[in-house]
Amino acid sequence: IAGITQAPTSQILAAGRRMTLRCTQDMRHNAMYWYRQDLGLGLRLIHYSNTAGTTGKGEVPDGYSVSRANTDDFPLTLASAVPSQTSVYFCASSDGGGSYNEQFFGPGTRLTVL
Amino acid sequence: GQNIDQPTEMTATEGAIVQINCTYQTSGFNGLFWYQQHAGEAPTFLSYNVLDGLEEKGRFSSFLSRSKGYSYLLLKELQMKDSASYLCAVMDSNYQLIWGAGTKLIIKP
Repeated sequence: IAGITQAPTSQILAAGRRMTLRCTQDMRHNAMYWYRQDLGLGLRLIHYSNTAGTTGKGEVPDGYSVSRANTDDFPLTLASAVPSQTSVYFCASSDGGGSYNEQFFGPGTRLTVL
Repeated sequence: GQNIDQPTEMTATEGAIVQINCTYQTSGFNGLFWYQQHAGEAPTFLSYNVLDGLEEKGRFSSFLSRSKGYSYLLLKELQMKDSASYLCAVMDSNYQLIWGAGTKLIIKP
């Protein structure tokens, strides 16, 4: 079934630990995105990648890193987790290439940092 | 700064019509999107407007006025399954989406 998968579904993490959230899409989309969603706030872009081999910083990149070694995978790493990174994380992808840029979202990862 | 405003919560009755408004101030404009998000789920695409006017898609319609920085989502013949959050997002000059906080729509029987 075509779409985006994320792993894990949820995670409780001790502060200071390293964590990688995984994201894989099989739609051959060029662009991929990582967002966080917090209560009362809109989705905020963490990092994005317009095509394999390139990445860019979004609105809230501090404390996070990404890589895009191939078209399908776009992992997000928290090098040393802090409680303020407690959030729901969504990965998304799109064909890119212009203004009509419907984004398809994965099911999300609920992360709690204690 | 960039800003998307929409009401936090709205309540409507099953079978009725509801209009969810969105106003925006962004650096550039390359289209406006509406997404639906059920509780605990991912957002899913509803509509896209880039030119002024009304786009109709079944029970849902979306309107855009670029000169006013304004859009609305119109939901007709409301069903209980329409209870969800509705997210307004604008694509800015860098082709990045700027998201509103969402409007939680509660449908009552």
